[in-house]
Parts: sequence; structure tokens; C-alpha cells
Amino acid sequence: DTEVTQTPKHLVMGMTNKKSLKCEQHMGHRAMYWYKQKAKKPPELMFVYSYEKLSINESVPSRFSPECPNSSLLNLHLHALQPEDSALYLCASSQRTGSYNEQFFGPGTRLTVL
Amino acid sequence: AQKVTQAQTEISVVEKEDVTLDCVYETRDTTYYLFWYKQPPSGELVFLIRRNSFDEQNEISGRYSWNFQKSTSSFNFTITASQVVDSAVYFCALSERDGGSQGNLIFGKGTKLSVKP
Repeated sequence: DTEVTQTPKHLVMGMTNKKSLKCEQHMGHRAMYWYKQKAKKPPELMFVYSYEKLSINESVPSRFSPECPNSSLLNLHLHALQPEDSALYLCASSQRTGSYNEQFFGPGTRLTVL
Repeated sequence: AQKVTQAQTEISVVEKEDVTLDCVYETRDTTYYLFWYKQPPSGELVFLIRRNSFDEQNEISGRYSWNFQKSTSSFNFTITASQVVDSAVYFCALSERDGGSQGNLIFGKGTKLSVKP
């Protein structure tokens, strides 16, 4: 099963709301990633988890809070977002971190912040 | 500095035409990996190919082929006899073993391919 799933597909939230994005993979991968993608731009790396530990935070504002409860799950908790945070949020996984590992992406969550 | 350039922002072809998507990269590493991903309108990035810096053999997979040339730092992607389902944004990406990217993907800006019936 080479699939990464993400829920929800779409999310609309106000600036005072708290919401969470969820990502799941059952490929036995030990590296998981969050990306943000604005329209007509490439994905931008936000966070990297390796063996359930946060290994990279690309200077992401604290209103985004990642969590990796176990090796299959990755969450992104959202709080007090701004309209400019509206984007497609992509989750990915790979066997390990490292340059030779191809990443497999989920379908993404389209987030709109009002 | 590491960089991936996809100079073609948008390409439009008619079905059954062949089309080549260009990718030029910059890196100081001697060991690196190059990738192509497809992103259809649904949003999911689909992995197409990985190539390491020591393997310059061209690869063919069905209607897809890739031409890797270290001498020109290029990793071009050709679709033969294009189909409407090939319409998508295609990203070329670089990952360095030892460079500043920590092994993470450095994406080009993408090329939007439209295949018209």
C-alpha cells in the first residue's frame, strides 16, 4: 500500500479557530513531512519528523504546531491563523530522511482562513 | 548554492505531440539525487523518477523518458505521444547528500503542461 492519506480535504476556518490537519501512512516509513504550497508555487518545507522526533523546523510561526503521535500519524495543529496562511498543505513520507529517499505525498488539505 | 531551474512556465500541446520539459540544476555536491514529480489538478504530487548523480543512463518508462546530462547539469523529461491525462504541473527537484539542504528536496518552480484534445 503506497498511499499517504490526509484529512480533511478542505478546511475553512476563522482567525480565532483551532483546527488540526491529519496525515497517515502505512508504508512503514520513519520520516514524515509537512509542506505548504501556495497557488502556482512549488511546495515549501515546513517540518520534518524522523523516527517520531522533530528534526527540522523551517522557521515556521508558532501558530503552526506539528505532532507525531506514532510512526504512522502526523498532525498539524492550527491556531490563530492569518488569511495569508491559506494554502494547500501537503504531507509526505519517506523510508528515512536523507537525499536518496523519494518522498510520497498525500492529496493535501486545501485550507482557507477567513 | 543549490538551485533548480525550470525555465518553461507553461507549455501547451495538442494530443499525440511529443513534449520535453527542461530542468537545469546547480549544486556543489558530487553526490546528489534528481527527481521528477507530477501534480495534477487534484493536488497530490506523484513521484515519477529518481536518478542519482553517478548514473547518467537515460531511462524510459512507457511514454516517459528522462535524459540526464551532467555536462550540462540538465535532467530533461520527455513525454511521447502526449495525452490529455498528462495535463499537470511537473516539478523537477534536487536533493543533496552533503549540502545545505540537509537531504531535503529543492524544487524548481514547475512547468504547467496543458494537453489539448
